[in-house]
Amino acid sequence: KAGVTQTPRYLIKTRGQQVTLSCSPISGHRSVSWYQQTPGQGLQFLFEYFSETQRNKGNFPGRFSGRQFSNSRSEMNVSTLELGDSALYLCASIPGGTAMNTEAFFGQGTRLTVV
Amino acid sequence: GNSVTQMEGPVTLSEEAFLTINCTYTATGYPSLFWYVQYPGEGLQLLLKATKADDKGSNKGFEATYRKETTSFHLEKGSVQVSDSAVYFCALRDGGATNKLIFGTGTLLAVQP
Repeated sequence: KAGVTQTPRYLIKTRGQQVTLSCSPISGHRSVSWYQQTPGQGLQFLFEYFSETQRNKGNFPGRFSGRQFSNSRSEMNVSTLELGDSALYLCASIPGGTAMNTEAFFGQGTRLTVV
Repeated sequence: GNSVTQMEGPVTLSEEAFLTINCTYTATGYPSLFWYVQYPGEGLQLLLKATKADDKGSNKGFEATYRKETTSFHLEKGSVQVSDSAVYFCALRDGGATNKLIFGTGTLLAVQP
């Protein structure tokens, strides 16, 4: 069974540019969450999608956006990049329900560097 | 709001030593609790979980017990190996109609031969 696939693995962008990151969840999983990992702030929740609808959103500026497609694949977009957006962006694949024992399976992440 | 507090690292141990990484939480209701592990250059892997008070999660020799009375979920292993060197994250599921996870700051474990 294939795992969670995030592309690209590494990305270098210039301040002011925009970037799109992609996540393909485990087959059959209907929910995707995104997290930002930085040395200073740790792991912070960005958003959660279920069946193409945003179910929850973290405390990030509007420059951060996402969407989910009908095949459950998800993309997140960051516009007007800032140096502080440099981070490891992790995608989590979840079967879909919100039962207490629901597990999240993480991809290897996309390492974004803003210069 | 809900939060997780994890002991600061790094933790440096010799092979076969006993490991404890402390984790306490603040939450309303009864959140599910998790330990994740991150190896260098990798994403997060679920190590173990517990969904209700007094549940014990276990995997690969690691254990953690959900203690409601002390709001704790400490990670333990009786005999660590060099291959256990990684960053360990305690997390809680925020509850309700969401799978949002709230993570602790992570604890770096370095095991020396």
